[in-house]
Amino acid sequence: EVQLVESGGGLVQPGGSLRLSCAASGFSFSTYWMSWVRQVPGKGLEWVANIKQDGSERYYVDSVKGRFTISRDNAKNSLYLQMNSLRAEDTAVYYCARGVWSFGYWGQGTLVTVSS
Amino acid sequence: EIVLTQSPGTLSLSPGEGATLSCRASQSISSTYLAWYQQKPGQAPRLLIYGASSRATGIPDRFSGSGSGTDFTLTISRLEPEDFAVYYCQQHGGSPPITFGQGTRLEIK
Repeated sequence: EVQLVESGGGLVQPGGSLRLSCAASGFSFSTYWMSWVRQVPGKGLEWVANIKQDGSERYYVDSVKGRFTISRDNAKNSLYLQMNSLRAEDTAVYYCARGVWSFGYWGQGTLVTVSS
Repeated sequence: EIVLTQSPGTLSLSPGEGATLSCRASQSISSTYLAWYQQKPGQAPRLLIYGASSRATGIPDRFSGSGSGTDFTLTISRLEPEDFAVYYCQQHGGSPPITFGQGTRLEIK
């Protein structure tokens, strides 16, 4: 069974940093593109970043470029999102998702709240 | 950026009725890269349709997708109580490479 389990969310002050993790199991993690998608509570979905199987290609939505870094450790079947210089508008539930053109599997999400 | 506009914003229907949800792209996209998701409160999105018309694993055949170019449609033939949720379309292509529509809320009339 495919499972994606996010962790690392929480309350952080504006300007602070947070590192999200996504533990993958039940499939060959190293053979899939992976993404982070976020959702402000009560609002729509926003793709944040994705990363190729070997980490050689990474893409970001403009609003997080230079602040967020997506990475992966295929030996640990894990995906990460390092978030720096956090802003109030980064407050959202962050999901990791498997795929490149569409997302067939999603984690349950982890809530990031940026507030003083 | 390819903008996806979904309509209507809210659709009020009764169980047993059919539903038609629209997704219009700001520029032509390949059907290969158009997907639909269902999201219920407190849950992650669930992939329904990929490649504009292919049902994902385990999705009932009352869900169907169609369209090409800039106009895409999700059709639910006979609404079941569990179908009332928010639906999103999503495309891959351009910069940023992935965008979602703003969603259509399907509510019980």
